Amino acid sequence: GAVVSQHPSWVICKSGTSVKIECRSLDFQATTMFWYRQFPKQSLMLMATSNEGSKATYEQGVEKDKFLINHASLTLSTLTVTSAHPEDSSFYICSARGTSSSYEQYFGPGTRLTVT
Amino acid sequence: GQNIDQPTEMTATEGAIVQINCTYQTSGFNGLFWYQQHAGEAPTFLSYNVLDGLEEKGRFSSFLSRSKGYSYLLLKELQMKDSASYLCAALPYSGAGSYQLTFGKGTKLSVIP
Repeated sequence: GAVVSQHPSWVICKSGTSVKIECRSLDFQATTMFWYRQFPKQSLMLMATSNEGSKATYEQGVEKDKFLINHASLTLSTLTVTSAHPEDSSFYICSARGTSSSYEQYFGPGTRLTVT
Repeated sequence: GQNIDQPTEMTATEGAIVQINCTYQTSGFNGLFWYQQHAGEAPTFLSYNVLDGLEEKGRFSSFLSRSKGYSYLLLKELQMKDSASYLCAALPYSGAGSYQLTFGKGTKLSVIP
């Protein structure tokens, strides 16, 4: 149980275009989803936290107008990178926390974004 | 603020035991997680400690001392497939119920024959 999927697993886009990444909890309801970014040889950096049905909470330094997060249902959250630039190239990972009292987060497999 | 420290790299021999240390400073504390992350993949959960002491799970064990702000991950009978980064993550008490993990930079473990 507790499987989180992400789509796409990798994407290449041109500078200036937008890319949408989907994160789904497959066998549980995720009240909270987290979006992380990881640059090579760096740790995971939390970008934003989203609770179903409410606006996402962004970490300091993360542009909310550039990284649009939608958590419309208990099983789906999306991250849209708008007007992507080469410096946005990174590994984007989502995680989900269920409705139980457990603090454990379940991670998706990640999406490798390359902006050319 | 939050601060998590762990060694950057470690090397150990196949079949041996290795201990990866982690110290943390957080505003409030709701537990300490260890994750394994292979290159290019997402982290996978290894352990969660919230009380002092040692939690054993197969070849992996995790220890926590809340008073010292210290944890370690112990890997026994090392296998080549254990070569990965090991992430220490603390769960501060935010008071807002958001349960945001703070990750260390990870310890890259290389297991050699």
